[in-house]
Amino acid sequence: ETGVTQSPTHLIKTRGQQVTLRCSSQSGHNTVSWYQQALGQGPQFIFQYYREEENGRGNFPPRFSGLQFPNYSSELNVNALELDDSALYLCASSLRGGVLETQYFGPGTRLLVL
Amino acid sequence: TQLLEQSPQFLSIQEGENLTVYCNSSSVFSSLQWYRQEPGEGPVLLVTVVTGGEVKKLKRLTFQFGDARKDSSLHITAAQPGDTGLYLCAGVNSGGYQKVTFGIGTKLQVIP
Repeated sequence: ETGVTQSPTHLIKTRGQQVTLRCSSQSGHNTVSWYQQALGQGPQFIFQYYREEENGRGNFPPRFSGLQFPNYSSELNVNALELDDSALYLCASSLRGGVLETQYFGPGTRLLVL
Repeated sequence: TQLLEQSPQFLSIQEGENLTVYCNSSSVFSSLQWYRQEPGEGPVLLVTVVTGGEVKKLKRLTFQFGDARKDSSLHITAAQPGDTGLYLCAGVNSGGYQKVTFGIGTKLQVIP
């Protein structure tokens, strides 16, 4: 186990709804990244949070937003859900500043949009 | 947009066989990582290669980084059923933040 936890494990929503996914980072880590993994694909980078600020973003629309809290845990919010948002959402925590910054992934939240 | 192409995407082999998975890109990366992901779990890092031409071994797994730091390979010797899983390569660029770009993955099934 990596020490990274995510909740909930599974979620079913309908199109147009909003969803919040949560991630607790590994102890001592200060950076959280979020990824979307569609079925049969590799993870796609959504964004990264460091010191409670977004400091990197992939090719995702603004309806994907996030937060990082003082304890370094994080939330991913998705508004106006679309069918294509159905995927496994992964968070990964890491410690910025090392020579090789290694990301440790949580088990993911599987989201189904109907 | 940086892309990583992995081949093959699917591989089904008998226990004891050898196999090689390839990861290619037109872009240069600071480093390249290989992960293994099992159903219902997140990817787990196997290795990071940093220097062009670098070779790393992890028991029966051999990882190589291309001289130009654009491609990599993973070779498994005498595959075991426990090697079954999704193998992902990921290119890493370190700038203002560490950006990790994943390939589509190679789904490996080792049949006893």
